[in-house]
Amino acid sequence: TQLLEQSPQFLSIQEGENLTVYCNSSSVFSSLQWYRQEPGEGPVLLVTVVTGGEVKKLKRLTFQFGDARKDSSLHITAAQPGDTGLYLCAGAGNTDKLIFGTGTRLQVFP
Amino acid sequence: EAGVAQSPRYKIIEKRQSVAFWCNPISGHATLYWYQQILGQGPKLLIQFQNNGVVDDSQLPKDRFSAERLKGVDSTLKIQPAKLEDSAVYLCASTPIHHVAWDGELFFGEGSRLTVL
Repeated sequence: TQLLEQSPQFLSIQEGENLTVYCNSSSVFSSLQWYRQEPGEGPVLLVTVVTGGEVKKLKRLTFQFGDARKDSSLHITAAQPGDTGLYLCAGAGNTDKLIFGTGTRLQVFP
Repeated sequence: EAGVAQSPRYKIIEKRQSVAFWCNPISGHATLYWYQQILGQGPKLLIQFQNNGVVDDSQLPKDRFSAERLKGVDSTLKIQPAKLEDSAVYLCASTPIHHVAWDGELFFGEGSRLTVL
């Protein structure tokens, strides 16, 4: 069974701080996606990484896929209250099934 | 373009009662998923349809959960009888492609929140 563990589980920071969320597995994934979910809404895709070692930037968010394609990280620079939400990594393996991680709940205070 | 529609948004039932959730995916999306999301956790796949056929239902508790996607468009997810541990948000998602392994994107509905008392 493919599992994706995220850390930390909870993160509470002040506006302007930097943070990193980790997504780890013992399994290899063909691609890794990051979603953000706000209360009462479904997850929304932020980015997809498909190549080992790949780095993608989306404004203040930087996503990295591990060289072995077993892990990923999300780094947010100068966090803002609008970044508040549940961050989910999701891995696609050799089937069409997308496995979601355990989630990281981020709260950014003004 | 209209998004994934789900109903009802909220449902409160007592244990051993039954409940049904409805999902209308984005027009033209062949693949439809039902996920269960317990508060604060990541979504867990229950069942995946490709058109009106089941691709994966290995995580569906078949003794109490059932789902169908007649005509390959709308889908319903039923729970009968409900247990306390079924309290969760049930998310429906769709995608136009069969393989999400590369750059596919799941489009989610707002979810149906179930509380079992």
